[in-house]
Amino acid sequence: EIVLTQSPATLSVSPGERATLSCRASQSIGTGLAWYQQKPGQAPRLLISGASTRATGIPARFSGSGSGTEFTLTISSLQSEDFAVYYCQQYNKWPPNTFGQGTKLEIK
Amino acid sequence: QVQLVQSETEVKKPGSSVKVSCKASGGNFRNNAIHWVRQAPGQGPEWLGGIVPIFGTPNYAPKSQGRVTITADESTSTAYMDLSSLRSEDTAIYYCARGIAAAGPFDSWGQGTLVTVSS
Repeated sequence: EIVLTQSPATLSVSPGERATLSCRASQSIGTGLAWYQQKPGQAPRLLISGASTRATGIPARFSGSGSGTEFTLTISSLQSEDFAVYYCQQYNKWPPNTFGQGTKLEIK
Repeated sequence: QVQLVQSETEVKKPGSSVKVSCKASGGNFRNNAIHWVRQAPGQGPEWLGGIVPIFGTPNYAPKSQGRVTITADESTSTAYMDLSSLRSEDTAIYYCARGIAAAGPFDSWGQGTLVTVSS
């Protein structure tokens, strides 16, 4: 089973600044990685698939990069609605699909 | 865009079973992968298993094998997740989600079904 490790667990950033979130896989998964945003009381929302492809309707300030075992989600200029929990998921080597434990992005 | 609507909140006793439904509209149900994911309070998502109705055979997470049964009814475009031998640690929100491909990622999610296991 692939283990995904996200860092940091909590990230405090001011609105308008850049946020960089990391996800490391326990073995190579190519580009079979997705990023999700989750707000309280809501289901996760797909942001990025294939490590770098934005999902439909996702603003350009969200970008993903990486391959193999190291991945990054960057939010270029944080808006108030971006403060949430972010999860990475690998779907390259399955079953099982696996998720990271999440990064909480909070307002500084 | 596929829309997924799940069944309502459930409260169950330890040792019993629960069956959660997920009705799909839009898209082609037969060809869509439907996955089940649960999220315990304050925890990250955990994938339980998935099914592509046209293929019929579900895939399960190793931890789910033996207690989780996933089925799909093409006549009603509804997927089901049955969890048996419930214990308190099964208390969670259970989501169904559509996979863009058989393995994922998941681009449409149901609203979630809270399952509480308590004596």
